[in-house]
Amino acid sequence: DAGVIQSPRHEVTEMGQEVTLRCKPISGHDYLFWYRQTMMRGLELLIYFNNNVPIDDSGMPEDRFSAKMPNASFSTLKIQPSEPRDSAVYFCASSFEPRAYGYTFGSGTRLTVV
Amino acid sequence: QKEVEQNSGPLSVPEGAIASLNCTYSDRGSQSFFWYRQYSGKSPELIMFIYSNGDKEDGRFTAQLNKASQYVSLLIRDSQPSDSATYLCAVNNAGGTSYGKLTFGQGTILTVHP
Repeated sequence: DAGVIQSPRHEVTEMGQEVTLRCKPISGHDYLFWYRQTMMRGLELLIYFNNNVPIDDSGMPEDRFSAKMPNASFSTLKIQPSEPRDSAVYFCASSFEPRAYGYTFGSGTRLTVV
Repeated sequence: QKEVEQNSGPLSVPEGAIASLNCTYSDRGSQSFFWYRQYSGKSPELIMFIYSNGDKEDGRFTAQLNKASQYVSLLIRDSQPSDSATYLCAVNNAGGTSYGKLTFGQGTILTVHP
C-alpha cells in the first residue's frame, strides 16, 4: 500500500482565497483524521470520520473550515476564505482501529497564507 | 492543565546513553498510549503503543505505563544520532465521540550527540 496520500505537499495562497487540501486514506481504514500542526499549538485534531461519517468536528476552528468524505477513499479539507493565521502543516491520518493501533499519517500539506 | 504534558526539553544525550522521555495525562479513563517519532519536516511515525500497566519492550525502545500515576514514559537504550527527533506522546481517551481520538502532547526534542 502507498500509505496515506495527501496533496498538494505545499500550498502558498493569498489571504481571502479558497484552499482545498486532499487526502486518500489507506485502503481498508475506516477512520480518517485531519490534524493541524503549528509550533505554538502542536498537533490539534480538527475533525475525524468513521465510515465516511463525521464523528467529531469540535476542533474545527470556525465556519471558514469544512471537511467532507464523499467516499471511503477520498476526503477534502477546505478553508474559505483563508487567513494568515491558518498557515500550518495539515496532516491527514487513517486507521482501522485507532484505540489499538494508533494512526498512520500522510506526509502533510504545508500551507502558507500571505 | 493540558490533557497531555511532556517534559519540555530539549533533551540532549551522548551516543550510547539512555534517553528518558516522560508524559503525564489528565483523563483517568484513558485506555491506550502511543509514542510517535517525528523527524524535522516529516510526519509523525508510530514507534510504540502500550495499554497495560508495566513495561513493553521493542528492540532498543521500552514504553512504561503507570495508570495510577497517570504517567507514561519511553526509554531509548544505546541512543544513536539517528534517534534525534521530536517524540510525541499520544493518548486515547474514553468512549463516545472520543473513541477514535488521540490527544497529542507538545513533544520533546531529543538530540543524540556523537
